[in-house]
Amino acid sequence: QKEVEQNSGPLSVPEGAIASLNCTYSDRGSQSFFWYRQYSGKSPELIMFIYSNGDKEDGRFTAQLNKASQYVSLLIRDSQPSDSATYLCAVIRESSASKIIFGSGTRLSIRP
Amino acid sequence: DAGVIQSPRHEVTEMGQEVTLRCKPISGHDYLFWYRQTMMRGLELLIYFNNNVPIDDSGMPEDRFSAKMPNASFSTLKIQPSEPRDSAVYFCASSFGTAYQPQHFGDGTRLSIL
Repeated sequence: QKEVEQNSGPLSVPEGAIASLNCTYSDRGSQSFFWYRQYSGKSPELIMFIYSNGDKEDGRFTAQLNKASQYVSLLIRDSQPSDSATYLCAVIRESSASKIIFGSGTRLSIRP
Repeated sequence: DAGVIQSPRHEVTEMGQEVTLRCKPISGHDYLFWYRQTMMRGLELLIYFNNNVPIDDSGMPEDRFSAKMPNASFSTLKIQPSEPRDSAVYFCASSFGTAYQPQHFGDGTRLSIL
């Protein structure tokens, strides 16, 4: 079992709809959770981070964390073609502080 | 503000040659990370430094890989001798305060070993 699991996709969503990206992690002691966006041929770019259970909203993006279920998700409202990218979930385990583990990413495609 | 700066952007070399990748973190950041990204293995943390000191190098694949950070504004990742399986995109990232803080990535070095 991978430490951080994501569906590789591609996830195809119509423009204007809500895109929902999911991530599960195996280390119950994990403390910090990040979502990075990576366009093809580019470097990862941080879009959201969340430390506490519940929801965190930033513009069209909402991160949701459920530590009991070891689940973190990213919702993108009013999806735009420019949101088409690979989204990487990343987790920092408390057991080895500072070591960030990335999921393999979910490829999102927004169709016009 | 200048971001994380990596050089070179592209490197093509023959197997057996020494390869040196360079990174300048964001000024004031005290954590520096080296990653490797391939289609097969995704984004892997190789090593990270705090205040120029290597903290965790458990991700370094083998002794052919070495990394140094002689001062707060410069780090190198060296591969000697290089092999075709080292072909990947290598990213450097930095963060401030604690490693729990978000990381800022450089543009990466695309390395091809023939």
